Amino acid sequence: DSGVTQTPKHLITATGQRVTLRCSPRSGDLSVYWYQQSLDQGLQFLIQYYNGEERAKGNILERFSAQQFPDLHSELNLSSLELGDSALYFCASSVDEGYTEKLFFGSGTQLSVL
Amino acid sequence: SQQGEEDPQALSIQEGENATMNCSYKTSINNLQWYRQNSGRGLVHLILIRSNEREKHSGRLRVTLDTSKKSSSLLITASRAADTASYFCATDAKNAGGTSYGKLTFGQGTILTVHP
Repeated sequence: DSGVTQTPKHLITATGQRVTLRCSPRSGDLSVYWYQQSLDQGLQFLIQYYNGEERAKGNILERFSAQQFPDLHSELNLSSLELGDSALYFCASSVDEGYTEKLFFGSGTQLSVL
Repeated sequence: SQQGEEDPQALSIQEGENATMNCSYKTSINNLQWYRQNSGRGLVHLILIRSNEREKHSGRLRVTLDTSKKSSSLLITASRAADTASYFCATDAKNAGGTSYGKLTFGQGTILTVHP
């Protein structure tokens, strides 16, 4: 058990809908990262937050947004969903901000867009 | 192509044999890490090697780093059926200021199958 909690584990929805994925980092970790894993794209970095502030951004679509709350949990919002958004979405956490060392991953949310 | 590309894409060996996976990357890095993923589950950190290190050991794992060739290798010795998983290298790229971009970039992974 990594200590990172992601909910829900599975999500099935229709095109055009909006969903929210939730992540609770390990106790004491201030950084949260979101990754998308698909067969064709592999593991893609989406976004990083550190203590409530956005720190790094990857290839995150404009239809996607994220935030980190004062209690350090994070949410990834995906809107106007398309079939191609079907993927495994991982949250990871770490203590540090500037140096990215040893991420702890949650077990992921499997999103299926039908 | 992506920062952090592993080869081979798939590796099949017998229990007790050694498994070697390679990773190549494109930019200057602060560190390189290896992660393991069991089927459809979260990734687990295995080992980290910094850009000023050449070799590192952890149990049955040995990692080497050649920054001149921008490549790394992961050796798993005396493999076990339980080592069956996907293995990913991940790089923490160095920005113009010499620090981190704040993200890890993962390769496509090597699928290792260890037969009992």
